[in-house]
Amino acid sequence: DQQVKQNSPSLSVQEGRISILNCDYTNSMFDYFLWYKKYPAEGPTFLISISSIKDKNEDGRFTVFLNKSAKHLSLHIVPSQPGDSAVYFCAAKGTSYGKLTFGQGTILTVHP
Amino acid sequence: DSGVTQTPKHLITATGQRVTLRCSPRSGDLSVYWYQQSLDQGLQFLIQYYNGEERAKGNILERFSAQQFPDLHSELNLSSLELGDSALYFCASSVAGRQTQYFGPGTRLLVL
Repeated sequence: DQQVKQNSPSLSVQEGRISILNCDYTNSMFDYFLWYKKYPAEGPTFLISISSIKDKNEDGRFTVFLNKSAKHLSLHIVPSQPGDSAVYFCAAKGTSYGKLTFGQGTILTVHP
Repeated sequence: DSGVTQTPKHLITATGQRVTLRCSPRSGDLSVYWYQQSLDQGLQFLIQYYNGEERAKGNILERFSAQQFPDLHSELNLSSLELGDSALYFCASSVAGRQTQYFGPGTRLLVL
């Protein structure tokens, strides 16, 4: 039972344009959501997060939107840069302790 | 650099053997988490320790065990290894009361 889903295995975007990565979840007990970026042979790097009491959080080029009624969140990267090319994971945390439930990841490729 | 260190970086061993993976959390972080990333399963939560005590358990096999020591470093012990245990093992840490987990670079385990 996959509680966090990233339905797009890959996304290709031109440099300077917007990248939109999507994530859906099924567990209504999730109250905190995070996005991680991962390069090959490295650990996931924290990007940005959002609490369930908010619907938007922004940090530089990265913005995360949360739609609780649709159980959907998205990460917007604008403008996209070639260095953003990596695997992006959506993760969710429930109310009990610190376990993160991850999506399967989306490979983002930003072309120069 | 997240500040979380893991050793060794790579480990090659044979079926039936036992290995120990080590993790040092970021300075001041009391919580340590272990995750497994295999090709077909994505990132799966194994276990969490907080200040030396087990806090939460995920999909951790009985052949696997972990502990957190007084200096807060943690070890994940994998025994009676099987081919299917080949994976990347990540450690993460977080500050007490904060949601964001910071990941180490991982240990790549190959069981032959």
